Amino acid sequence: QVQLQQWGAGLLKPSETLSLTCAVYDGSFSGYYWSWVRQPPGKGLEWIGEINPSGGTGYNPSLRSRVTISRNTSKNQFSLELSSVTAADTAVYYCARHCSGGRKAFDIWGQGTMVTVSS
Amino acid sequence: QSALTQPASVSGSPGQSITISCTGTSSDVGGYNYVSWYQHHPGKAPKLMIYEVTNRPSGVSNRFSGSKSGNTASLTISGLQAEDEADYYCSSYTSTYSYVFGTGTKVTVL
Repeated sequence: QVQLQQWGAGLLKPSETLSLTCAVYDGSFSGYYWSWVRQPPGKGLEWIGEINPSGGTGYNPSLRSRVTISRNTSKNQFSLELSSVTAADTAVYYCARHCSGGRKAFDIWGQGTMVTVSS
Repeated sequence: QSALTQPASVSGSPGQSITISCTGTSSDVGGYNYVSWYQHHPGKAPKLMIYEVTNRPSGVSNRFSGSKSGNTASLTISGLQAEDEADYYCSSYTSTYSYVFGTGTKVTVL
């Protein structure tokens, strides 16, 4: 059974860069699309961006200027960087796998990482 | 891009059927058959319930079904059970090559 294990700093100051990593265990990494999704406290889910099997990326237009998603295929990992964070970036961040065949849905999710931005 | 519109809450008694709507635009829900639904228990990872409007992943109960008409998609839960109490989110692929989620619906089993 594929599992996603994610980690990263949980407390940031305004203007710092958020950095999270997601590792894929017991499953294929290559050939799948991978995404990051977040949920601010008391609010709904928001898609942040994705990385495809070729290493190409796509981002939420509202976050594009601050987001970078990358991968390390030798470690079966992909990462999220979000620069110049503010309190509005406080959220639980999830990594997620797209369904096979590049389908536009997310079938496997990480456990979530709470990231708080506060001075 | 604006979040898809869902009712804030829906409730039903055990055994009943409920339907959650998800309204978007022709640039997302209405333009693509890429609507998915997620069940989210607080503190846990979301779970995929429906993809591509009507398809159920392996292991998801057939009590869950999806449909779409125009710019509105729907998730129906039949034979409501206590374990179905959770938040539900729809999602759609969009014309800007991105994804948008719904505002979320809290399902309460009375």
